[in-house]
Amino acid sequence: AQSVTQLDSHVSVSEGTPVLLRCNYSSSYSPSLFWYVQHPNKGLQLLLKYTSAATLVKGINGFEAEFKKSETSFHLTKPSAHMSDAAEYFCVVNNNAGNMLTFGGGTRLMVKP
Amino acid sequence: NAGVMQNPRHLVRRRGQEARLRCSPMKGHSHVYWYRQLPEEGLKFMVYLQKENIIDESGMPKERFSAEFPKEGPSILRIQQVVRGDSAAYFCASSPGNNQPQHFGDGTRLSIL
Repeated sequence: AQSVTQLDSHVSVSEGTPVLLRCNYSSSYSPSLFWYVQHPNKGLQLLLKYTSAATLVKGINGFEAEFKKSETSFHLTKPSAHMSDAAEYFCVVNNNAGNMLTFGGGTRLMVKP
Repeated sequence: NAGVMQNPRHLVRRRGQEARLRCSPMKGHSHVYWYRQLPEEGLKFMVYLQKENIIDESGMPKERFSAEFPKEGPSILRIQQVVRGDSAAYFCASSPGNNQPQHFGDGTRLSIL
């Protein structure tokens, strides 16, 4: 079985400062990992995915994440926050069959002007 | 390219009524997934379907819930005799194949009076 833990339920940053959203996973196999973003009353948009290629994954809107097997982590970063980044972010792992996503509890990112 | 289309966006039902949620996958996608999001929580997997087949329904409640993906038309998630605890956002996702990134619709927000 697989699981995902997002270490912070809320993160607040000032516009223009770096963003770090933390995620740890547990899996008995080599997982596929994803970050999704959800804006209020909207569906989820895929930011980036890791599928055992390069450990540093670049996504949309300037986000990137680094897969660290030794730490079982997949933290999401962005060098400079923008007001439009304010949203809920979910770290997600795929099951071994590749057909079921397991979501973390989410991190709400707030960006102050 | 139309994305995953869900309707209705909002659905209000009284206790004991039936709720029918519809999902049209992205063009070219034959795999459909349903997830439920309770307030302040991440998404929880419910069911995975391909055309005319339920592949994995391990996340579906044992009673009152059913899903189908007919040969023609959208996928349907049906909830019979709704109760207050069924109030949630229900998201549909689709993918072109197994172990491919899932693309999400904007969800149906179900409210039970």
